[in-house]
Amino acid sequence: KAGVTQTPRYLIKTRGQQVTLSCSPISGHRSVSWYQQTPGQGLQFLFEYFSETQRNKGNFPGRFSGRQFSNSRSEMNVSTLELGDSALYLCASSPRTSGGRTDTQYFGPGTRLTVL
Amino acid sequence: AQRVTQPEKLLSVFKGAPVELKCNYSYSGSPELFWYVQYSRQRLQLLLRHISRESIKGFTADLNKGETSFHLKKPFAQEEDSAMYYCALSATGFQKLVFGTGTRLLVSP
Repeated sequence: KAGVTQTPRYLIKTRGQQVTLSCSPISGHRSVSWYQQTPGQGLQFLFEYFSETQRNKGNFPGRFSGRQFSNSRSEMNVSTLELGDSALYLCASSPRTSGGRTDTQYFGPGTRLTVL
Repeated sequence: AQRVTQPEKLLSVFKGAPVELKCNYSYSGSPELFWYVQYSRQRLQLLLRHISRESIKGFTADLNKGETSFHLKKPFAQEEDSAMYYCALSATGFQKLVFGTGTRLLVSP
């Protein structure tokens, strides 16, 4: 099976702009999670989508939002970009069929966002 | 609150030496613990999880609830083990992973 894909791989934006990142999960996976990775804060959970609904949310401001489509593809949006939003954004998919266990998450290569 | 602590940023060993990457966690509920690894220029991937109780690439990890630890061990390190290792925790059944800050393992010949 093809792995998780993320587009674009690199992005440069300026403060105040907004950005949309895309994630295509592994075929058959129904859950998509997003993480932010920075040198200072490490890997931090943003949110998880399953069946087009946000199921879990991390501790990020409302400028960070996401959605999931019926084919399980997901997008995340960051509005009013700040310098501190510069980071690697990772998407992970999982089947969500483990019936009470946390699934293995399969990560994409990430989108490197630079805010100038 | 859930927290994962990896006290070592860098662990440098020689090939053939034993390796132990430390992980301590804080969580009042029933946790699931994982080790994820990122090799150079590769994606973050699962190495092992505590419920599987299996050895992957010679690595093992035992969940010690009394000491709230999940240390990763390998008796004889190989150069190909050089990578970034992340310990992660989730509340049972939830897909949200809380990661530690990671330990870079460097295995020299």
